[in-house]
Amino acid sequence: QSVLTQPPSVSGAPGQRVTISCTGSSSNIGAGYDVHWYQQLPGAAPKLLIYGNSNRPSGVPDRFSGSKSGTSASLAITGLQAEDEADYYCQSYDSSLSGYVFGTGTKVTVL
Amino acid sequence: EEQLVESGGGLVQPGGSLRLSCAASGFTFSSYAMTWVRQAPGKGLEWVSAISGSGGSTYYADSVKGRFTISRDNAKNTMYLQMNSLRAEDTAVYYCAKDYLHFDRLDNWGQGTLVTVSS
Repeated sequence: QSVLTQPPSVSGAPGQRVTISCTGSSSNIGAGYDVHWYQQLPGAAPKLLIYGNSNRPSGVPDRFSGSKSGTSASLAITGLQAEDEADYYCQSYDSSLSGYVFGTGTKVTVL
Repeated sequence: EEQLVESGGGLVQPGGSLRLSCAASGFTFSSYAMTWVRQAPGKGLEWVSAISGSGGSTYYADSVKGRFTISRDNAKNTMYLQMNSLRAEDTAVYYCAKDYLHFDRLDNWGQGTLVTVSS
């Protein structure tokens, strides 16, 4: 059971900008815990994409950006490319559950 | 280069047991907490369990508490997940992942091992 809510799918043409929302509650994102984002390419393991709400690990293109406000966070992909087709998950910590919580996942389709 | 390799998955009958292993290399294993995350076929990610670097603290999702046991052998750079009383709903790919900071972010993942619970 996922505690963080994401839209099931988003799509855009190459070069366009898409955003993915991640909505939590007062026991996770709203409590001040960081939000991280993972990219899962088809048939592969998840890979850390954004950490600490808005930071990119080495090697992640600056087309990917993250933000957080209140009980929600967002991932933006600008200049969408075919290789960005994947599932994206947000993740935080939940003090009520005393563990990690993941978003429901969003499939990004490049038209 | 950091690497995590899971093993031990397979087909098991409902009520059966299985032990997964996660072999780590390329970093000081004992300095990092480690986590198991699973993904049912066609579904999203679900946190399963975590263990501190020393192994002295363990944490479980409610869905597996009392049935699964996480452990680690820092001398062997290996983490384990003992799964008992398995149910059909435990069918998933199980990933091990390295915690950058305890309960912060998962900065390195293994390739996963498939567990299928079916008669």
